Amino acid sequence: KAGVTQTPRYLIKTRGQQVTLSCSPISGHRSVSWYQQTPGQGLQFLFEYFSETQRNKGNFPGRFSGRQFSNSRSEMNVSTLELGDSALYLCASSEGFSGTEAFFGQGTRLTVV
Amino acid sequence: AQSVAQPEDQVNVAEGNPLTVKCTYSVSGNPYLFWYVQYPNRGLQFLLKYITGDNLVKGSYGFEAEFNKSQTSFHLKKPSALVSDSALYFCAVRDAPRGNNRLAFGKGNQVVVIP
Repeated sequence: KAGVTQTPRYLIKTRGQQVTLSCSPISGHRSVSWYQQTPGQGLQFLFEYFSETQRNKGNFPGRFSGRQFSNSRSEMNVSTLELGDSALYLCASSEGFSGTEAFFGQGTRLTVV
Repeated sequence: AQSVAQPEDQVNVAEGNPLTVKCTYSVSGNPYLFWYVQYPNRGLQFLLKYITGDNLVKGSYGFEAEFNKSQTSFHLKKPSALVSDSALYFCAVRDAPRGNNRLAFGKGNQVVVIP
């Protein structure tokens, strides 16, 4: 099985712009979660989608949004970028809600200048 | 709310010596516990998990972890460390089935294995 695929791997954006990141989960996995990783705050949960519905949301401003498509692929969008949004954004896919582990993609490194 | 504490920033160990990375957790119900490893500029790689059953769980690359409910701990161990084990290690927890997969991570431990 192919792993979790995130595109693009690297991105440089200017303050005030918006950005869309993509995640393709492992085939058959219907749950997709997004995390932000920064040196100062560590790994922080952004949101989770299951069957196109947002099930859980972390403590991030409304500039951060996401969606999931019928094929389980997910996108997250950040509008009006700030310098502090520079981070590694990780996507994780899970089969369901039992004790299965989450599998992570390699991440998208976003740099806001 | 669920949370994880990894008290040490960095763990230094000589190659061939035992490696221990500490983790304590807090959840309102029963925990699902995980260890992940991250190499530079890469995503998180799953090592092992505790869901239920035996308190000692074995995972990938010779790693194991012991679940201790009374101490709310889930320390990661490896009997003999390799230089290639040098990486960032994360402990994570989530409440057993609450209909979501939200993980709370510790801050991570940098493990340095000295040749």
